Amino acid sequence: GNSVTQMEGPVTLSEEAFLTINCTYTATGYPSLFWYVQYPGEGLQLLLKATKADDKGSNKGFEATYRKETTSFHLEKGSVQVSDSAVYFCALSGYNTNAGKSTFGDGTTLTVKP
Amino acid sequence: DTAVSQTPKYLVTQMGNDKSIKCEQNLGHDTMYWYKQDSKKFLKIMFSYNNKELIINETVPNRFSPKSPDKAHLNLHINSLELGDSAVYFCASSQASQGSYGYTFGSGTRLTVV
Repeated sequence: GNSVTQMEGPVTLSEEAFLTINCTYTATGYPSLFWYVQYPGEGLQLLLKATKADDKGSNKGFEATYRKETTSFHLEKGSVQVSDSAVYFCALSGYNTNAGKSTFGDGTTLTVKP
Repeated sequence: DTAVSQTPKYLVTQMGNDKSIKCEQNLGHDTMYWYKQDSKKFLKIMFSYNNKELIINETVPNRFSPKSPDKAHLNLHINSLELGDSAVYFCASSQASQGSYGYTFGSGTRLTVV
């Protein structure tokens, strides 16, 4: 079955530091890959996505590239801010399988200190 | 506003009570989900409905019963509440035939059983 493995947290960084959160996946076929962000007290929000190999998703300064050869979708940001403190979830969705059910990683908590 | 809305946002109740959580989406999506998030932020899928038809029913106690009166609504009824049911419950929706679009989540219902 499908699975997603994320870097364990928590991750604590100083403002303006470089961020990488690792995500690898196991899936059959060609899944779509996602990063969601959950700010304290809120629901998950779609941050970025990529639907095929070598696609790069980007949003709000965050980027992730769909690497089929390494089955990875690592999240990066060049300079984090205190407002980026949140829980980040990597996820995948197989096209039209099981009615679009997504598989989520366990989440990585990021804290950015001023 | 187009969104997934859940009510109530907070629910505090005693053990043994029965409670319901409601969810509505106005995005025109054909699939809706219930997820449970525990204190460690792990997300676990509970149920999924596609056009009012139950398609995913994970290993969940039968005290939990979903109901979908139409494709825009998915409610969750919980009987005989237990302390272990305390968690945040998220509703989400997606267009299943477009697995690459990702999910839209509600803001969550924090259930506390005392």
